[in-house]
Amino acid sequence: SAVISQKPSRDICQRGTSLTIQCQVDSQVTMMFWYRQQPGQSLTLIATANQGSEATYESGFVIDKFPISRPNLTFSTLTVSNMSPEDSSIYLCSVETATNTEAFFGQGTRLTVV
Amino acid sequence: GNSVTQMEGPVTLSEEAFLTINCTYTATGYPSLFWYVQYPGEGLQLLLKATKADDKGSNKGFEATYRKETTSFHLEKGSVQVSDSAVYFCALEGNQGGKLIFGQGTELSVKP
Repeated sequence: SAVISQKPSRDICQRGTSLTIQCQVDSQVTMMFWYRQQPGQSLTLIATANQGSEATYESGFVIDKFPISRPNLTFSTLTVSNMSPEDSSIYLCSVETATNTEAFFGQGTRLTVV
Repeated sequence: GNSVTQMEGPVTLSEEAFLTINCTYTATGYPSLFWYVQYPGEGLQLLLKATKADDKGSNKGFEATYRKETTSFHLEKGSVQVSDSAVYFCALEGNQGGKLIFGQGTELSVKP
């Protein structure tokens, strides 16, 4: 299994600003992902965080809005840039290890943009 | 593309009632199927999974069987408890490992 620590757990931000969310895993993992869960909605994959290279974004998500870093096998960040109220969501980090066929999730970051 | 469809909620049951939450999927190839649960104020947790046709996943009294012929993975529990109140998500993982596609979630409320 993998234990995931996400920071911050929640934040209230002003529109037009940016927030960086951190995801730290207690062991090396093969894959890291970022999801968004809008209020009352399901989870939608934003991107796959690739170690040492640019993230792979899903349709509808772009690097300028959601820059992602993954400098090593245990850490990744997601930045929500130039925020608007529509960005108010829970953002979740997910990982998959080499030995498990399941994804583990962090507790999520509840973002409110005012 | 791949997709997951869940029965809409909210679902309200009395304690000890039988639970079924329907889940159907569309996918190419042979996806793995999952049920995740999100308890109030908590993160997403894996409840059970099945990786091939006719597999039955089970955990905490919940069961789901991977039915390829009907492309379904319905969640069942014979006797629900108040503590089962949560949002349940059906999900699939296709050929691209680790990337999950989720259903819309079903909120379950169990009354004493």
